[in-house]
Amino acid sequence: GAGVSQTPSNKVTEKGKYVELRCDPISGHTALYWYRQSLGQGPEFLIYFQGTGAADDSGLPNDRFFAVRPEGSVSTLKIQRTERGDSAVYLCASSLGESPYNEQFFGPGTRLTVL
Amino acid sequence: AQSVTQLDSQVPVFEEAPVELRCNYSSSVSVYLFWYVQYPNQGLQLLLKYLSGSTLVKGINGFEAEFNKSQTSFHLRKPSVHISDTAEYFCAVIRAGSYQLTFGKGTKLSVIP
Repeated sequence: GAGVSQTPSNKVTEKGKYVELRCDPISGHTALYWYRQSLGQGPEFLIYFQGTGAADDSGLPNDRFFAVRPEGSVSTLKIQRTERGDSAVYLCASSLGESPYNEQFFGPGTRLTVL
Repeated sequence: AQSVTQLDSQVPVFEEAPVELRCNYSSSVSVYLFWYVQYPNQGLQLLLKYLSGSTLVKGINGFEAEFNKSQTSFHLRKPSVHISDTAEYFCAVIRAGSYQLTFGKGTKLSVIP
C-alpha cells in the first residue's frame, strides 16, 4: 500500500510569508507526528496527533507554528511570518496509535527554504 | 529530559568489513531504543528496536544492536557490510509513556568498494 506522502517536496518562500505543509498518513494510522530536521542534525519532535486532537505539541518552537488534523487523517503544518531559521526539512510520520512504541513510518519530507 | 549522543558523524568502512556505529543515551527514566536508517533520497526507515527482553536485538538487512543499561549504550553492528548499506543511521529513544522520539545527530556510513 501507499506510504506516508508529503506535499510539496520543496517549498521556497520569502521571509515573513505564510506557508502550509501537507501530510497524508498511511490509511488507518491514528497517530501522526511532525518533526523538523535542520542541516546536520537529527529530526526534532514538533507535535503528535492522536486522531483529530493534538495530544502533545510541546515541540512547537513558538506560536508562529500551528498544525491541524481536522478529520483524523490528513494534517497540515502551518508556519506564519516565516524566518530564515525556519529553513529545514519537515518530516511527517504515522503509526498505529495503540502503543507509543509502534513503528513510526516516515514520509520523504518537505524541504522548506526561507530566503 | 532524555538525550542521545552518536559519537561518530562519519564512518568509512571497506565492503565486507564489520562495522559498529556507537550510540549513548542519557535519561532519568526508563527509555526504549530505536535505530533508523535513511538511504539517499528516501525517508527514514526502522532498522530495529529494543523494548524489553533479550538485550541483543536483530533487525533488517543483517544489523543487530545490543542494549547495555550499565553503560547506557545501544551500539549498532553488522559483521559484513555491503555497498547498499551506505546511508545515514540515526539512534533514537522514547521515554516511557511518551510518543516523542528523540534522535541523535546521525552517523553517515560510507561503504568503500
